[in-house]
Amino acid sequence: GNSVTQMEGPVTLSEEAFLTINCTYTATGYPSLFWYVQYPGEGLQLLLKATKADDKGSNKGFEATYRKETTSFHLEKGSVQVSDSAVYFCALRRNTGNQFYFGTGTSLTVIP
Amino acid sequence: DTGVSQDPRHKITKRGQNVTFRCDPISEHNRLYWYRQTLGQGPEFLTYFQNEAQLEKSRLLSDRFSAERPKGSFSTLEIQRTEQGDSAMYLCASSPLPETQYFGPGTRLLVL
Repeated sequence: GNSVTQMEGPVTLSEEAFLTINCTYTATGYPSLFWYVQYPGEGLQLLLKATKADDKGSNKGFEATYRKETTSFHLEKGSVQVSDSAVYFCALRRNTGNQFYFGTGTSLTVIP
Repeated sequence: DTGVSQDPRHKITKRGQNVTFRCDPISEHNRLYWYRQTLGQGPEFLTYFQNEAQLEKSRLLSDRFSAERPKGSFSTLEIQRTEQGDSAMYLCASSPLPETQYFGPGTRLLVL
């Protein structure tokens, strides 16, 4: 089947620390991979995506590389800010069909 | 671009009652998705429309759930004979392309 497994939270980091949130997936075929972010009191929004193996998605200082050999799409940021405090969701979309599969989310709190 | 809107934002109902939620997508977005999200979980796909056609429906979706998108614009999600297990946040998303989704703020349902 198709599924996404995310690193459990919550994660608490000091400002300017390095962030990694792990995400691995199971899918038939070659899915597209996504990271969505939900800031407090706001709706989900797309952070970055990668549609094929070895692609790197990036946005707002966040990066994730589509690793087919390890079926992973880990989210990284070199220096987090307080404003990055949010819940992060990893997701996949099969290359056939329109259904998205989301992970359970990882809550990040960045303290000054 | 006013974003995806959902109405109502909150709904409290008694078990056994029917409820209907509305989603207004971003204009000219031909794709529309409904999701359900419970506390501590990621969004769970319910159904997908392309224009007015309902092209995908989750196998997990009970026959008490029905969705429509007349004329390919707004969409409604109806739950008949609500149960306490239906309590969740119901999210709508719209998209102009397969790889992007813009989420609404959600409708929070509480079934007593």
